[in-house]
Amino acid sequence: EVQLVQSGAEVKKPGESLKISCKGSGYSFTSYWIGWVRQMPGKGLEWMGIIYPGDSDTRYSPSFQGQVTISADKSISTAYLQWSSLKASDTAMYYCVRRVYYYGSGSYQYYFDYWGQGTLVTVSS
Amino acid sequence: QSVLTQPPSVSGAPGQRVTISCTGSSSNIGAGYDVHWYQQLPGTAPKLLIYGNSNRPSGVPDRFSGSKSGTSASLAITGLQAEDEADYYCQSYDSSLSGLYVFGTGTKVTVL
Repeated sequence: EVQLVQSGAEVKKPGESLKISCKGSGYSFTSYWIGWVRQMPGKGLEWMGIIYPGDSDTRYSPSFQGQVTISADKSISTAYLQWSSLKASDTAMYYCVRRVYYYGSGSYQYYFDYWGQGTLVTVSS
Repeated sequence: QSVLTQPPSVSGAPGQRVTISCTGSSSNIGAGYDVHWYQQLPGTAPKLLIYGNSNRPSGVPDRFSGSKSGTSASLAITGLQAEDEADYYCQSYDSSLSGLYVFGTGTKVTVL
């Protein structure tokens, strides 16, 4: 059974650093891209970035480039999302997702077939 | 900022049919990229509902169906049930600078 299990909720102060995790199991962790999705309170889903654990190739949404760092440790099948200096506006639920692809309609197509349970990050002074 | 536009809310009585639209542009849906749909029940993580415009993963009831035409896509729920009350999001791929994977603005489905 494919599972993405995320680390627990965090409460931090502005300016602090944070690293949350997402552990994959039930599949070959190095063969699928893992992404991160933000959901601010009462708002929609926003794609942040994605990493290929096999070689750590990473892509970021322009909105999040430079704001967060995505990494992975394939030896323990775990992906990470980290901040060096949190802001109150980083308060949100963060989900990791497994990306899959297929070829159709003349292009490669991508979607997210498994989601982690979410990690709530609260940043408040 | 989402590049796929959905109505904020739709509602229907039990047993009725409701549809949710997802409008994109020439850099995503109109460029031939497929649309996928996710269901987010209250207080839970989103779950894949439809992939490749109209395909249901194992376990998804056949009252959920999807379609795509031009720069838009639609999700239909027939025989609406109380447990269908949730937020629904479309998702596609975008070839512009706005980001590779784009989500819709989200639609709240209310069962009256």
